[in-house]
Amino acid sequence: GAVVSQHPSRVICKSGTSVKIECRSLDFQATTMFWYRQFPKKSLMLMATSNEGSKATYEQGVEKDKFLINHASLTLSTLTVTSAHPEDSSFYICSARQQTYTDTQYFGPGTRLTVL
Amino acid sequence: GDSVTQMEGPVTLSEEAFLTINCTYTATGYPSLFWYVQYPGEGLQLLLKATKADDKGSNKGFEATYRKETTSFHLEKGSVQVSDSAVYFCALSDRIQGAQKLVFGQGTRLTINP
Repeated sequence: GAVVSQHPSRVICKSGTSVKIECRSLDFQATTMFWYRQFPKKSLMLMATSNEGSKATYEQGVEKDKFLINHASLTLSTLTVTSAHPEDSSFYICSARQQTYTDTQYFGPGTRLTVL
Repeated sequence: GDSVTQMEGPVTLSEEAFLTINCTYTATGYPSLFWYVQYPGEGLQLLLKATKADDKGSNKGFEATYRKETTSFHLEKGSVQVSDSAVYFCALSDRIQGAQKLVFGQGTRLTINP
């Protein structure tokens, strides 16, 4: 149980284009989903927290107009990297929390974004 | 603010060796503590957790005990296998600015040689 999927697993795009990454909870309803960014050989950096049906809360230093997050249902959240640049190349990981008052997050396998 | 510090990697051991990966934390509240593992090419998987002082989390032969007095949550395994090669992340979950968030350590890369 508690499986989270991400799609695509890898994406290569040209500079200036937009890329959408999907995060789905497959066998549970996720009241909250989180988006992280992981740099090579570094830890995970929380980008934003999204609750179903409301606007995402972004961490300090994360551009909300560049990283658009939509949490339209209890099983789906999307991250759109707009006008991507090479410095946006990274490993993006989502996680989902099953209930409001639990602190365990289940992670997706990640999406490797490469911007040329 | 809240933070997690893990021992520097990489760590290289022989099969059947004893493993310890140190983890200490600072937190304003009373956090839950986690160890996550990331196998090559995969996402993070929850390895074990502990939610209160003196709790011991265990899974797949790994153990960690929540030590409030030393603010530590060290990961141990008595006899490692080649399949344990991965990156291990210590993390805490605390209520930060009204929201429950995970704070990760920098990760420790573990390589087990046959």
